[in-house]
Amino acid sequence: NAGVMQNPRHLVRRRGQEARLRCSPVKGHSHVYWYRQLPEEGLKFMVYLQKENIIDESGMPKERFSAEFPKEGPSILRIQQVVRGDSAAYFCASSPWDRGDYGYTFGSGTRLTVV
Amino acid sequence: KNQVEQSPQSLIILEGKNCTLQCNYTVSPFSNLRWYKQDTGRGPVSLTIMTFSENTKSNGRYTATLDADTKQSSLHITASQLSDSASYICVVRGSNDYKLSFGAGTTVTVRA
Repeated sequence: NAGVMQNPRHLVRRRGQEARLRCSPVKGHSHVYWYRQLPEEGLKFMVYLQKENIIDESGMPKERFSAEFPKEGPSILRIQQVVRGDSAAYFCASSPWDRGDYGYTFGSGTRLTVV
Repeated sequence: KNQVEQSPQSLIILEGKNCTLQCNYTVSPFSNLRWYKQDTGRGPVSLTIMTFSENTKSNGRYTATLDADTKQSSLHITASQLSDSASYICVVRGSNDYKLSFGAGTTVTVRA
């Protein structure tokens, strides 16, 4: 059983470029969550998606950030016109249902560096 | 204000020794509390999950306790090993909510 797969593991972008982060959930999981972790800080909720639906994007900046979880393929977190403050580790987690505590699984993260 | 506070921020222990990490939370109403281990450059991995009715739960050399009345939890590591060097994160989920509240973590360094 593969866990949550995130790619790329490391991503370097220049200011103003776009960053695309991918997350393939555990097979059979239809709930995906994205988190951001800044150095020395805890993970912060960004967005919660189910297949083809955004359930809660209250933790995601309203500008430049977007997320999707299409019927086929991985979930994508897109950051347009990146700025240095976007540099962080972005983690994806998946679960079998919205309160699937015991199946809640994190990926290894994508470390975004904006130069 | 963060609803999950952890202490200490970091600690260094010698291999073979024990240590205890603390977590205080204000999330209410409360559903469950989890402890995760996060190795450098990796995602968090679940160690234990406890509901309000559970006082203690073990996973190998890791033992978590929970006092839902005082809203406190601890994680005890017994006979530490070098591989225990990691960040340990306390995570709380409120009732009727899928969102998780994360502590900032305690960084444990085990030295030979």
